[in-house]
Amino acid sequence: DAGVIQSPRHEVTEMGQEVTLRCKPISGHNSLFWYRQTMMRGLELLIYFNNNVPIDDSGMPEDRFSAKMPNASFSTLKIQPSEPRDSAVYFCASSFGGAGGNTIYFGEGSWLTVV
Amino acid sequence: SQQGEEDPQALSIQEGENATMNCSYKTSINNLQWYRQNSGRGLVHLILIRSNEREKHSGRLRVTLDTSKKSSSLLITASRAADTASYFCATDGSSNTGKLIFGQGTTLQVKP
Repeated sequence: DAGVIQSPRHEVTEMGQEVTLRCKPISGHNSLFWYRQTMMRGLELLIYFNNNVPIDDSGMPEDRFSAKMPNASFSTLKIQPSEPRDSAVYFCASSFGGAGGNTIYFGEGSWLTVV
Repeated sequence: SQQGEEDPQALSIQEGENATMNCSYKTSINNLQWYRQNSGRGLVHLILIRSNEREKHSGRLRVTLDTSKKSSSLLITASRAADTASYFCATDGSSNTGKLIFGQGTTLQVKP
């Protein structure tokens, strides 16, 4: 299995631009998670999907952030407009049956720098 | 807010020594997991311990769980330079929401 695939791996963008991060979960997994990692705040859960439906988006910081999962094999996290404080590593992760009692598998992350 | 908090934040040891990392959490849990993150990489699952278990082993890893103290520890025995990484505990909370909340992590450096 190829694992969780994220793109782009690195992105540098100017403040105010739209950023779209993409994720392909492991085939057969029905839960998908977007996390953000910074030195200051550590790993934060942004949003969690189960069977393509957003279950918990309480971690999404502002209306500038949105996430979609149009099908079981693809998800996007969009930031519009981007700000320098959005600079972070964004991880997508997937699991089968929810993360509570199961292993979640992380992608390699998308390193975002907003200047 | 973070559910788990690791202690210490950073640990530096010599190769061959044992490394112990601790995790405390706030609410009741069903499961607790430990993950490892190498620099610049994603997190990798190490071990899961359920709330009715007290100890679990996997190779050189030993995890304990004390639900009365809301704490867990990860012991890495006979450490190697390749064990250098950050280690995170993650909990699910008792409400079985299906999501994992991670602690701040312990950064382990193993000197050759």
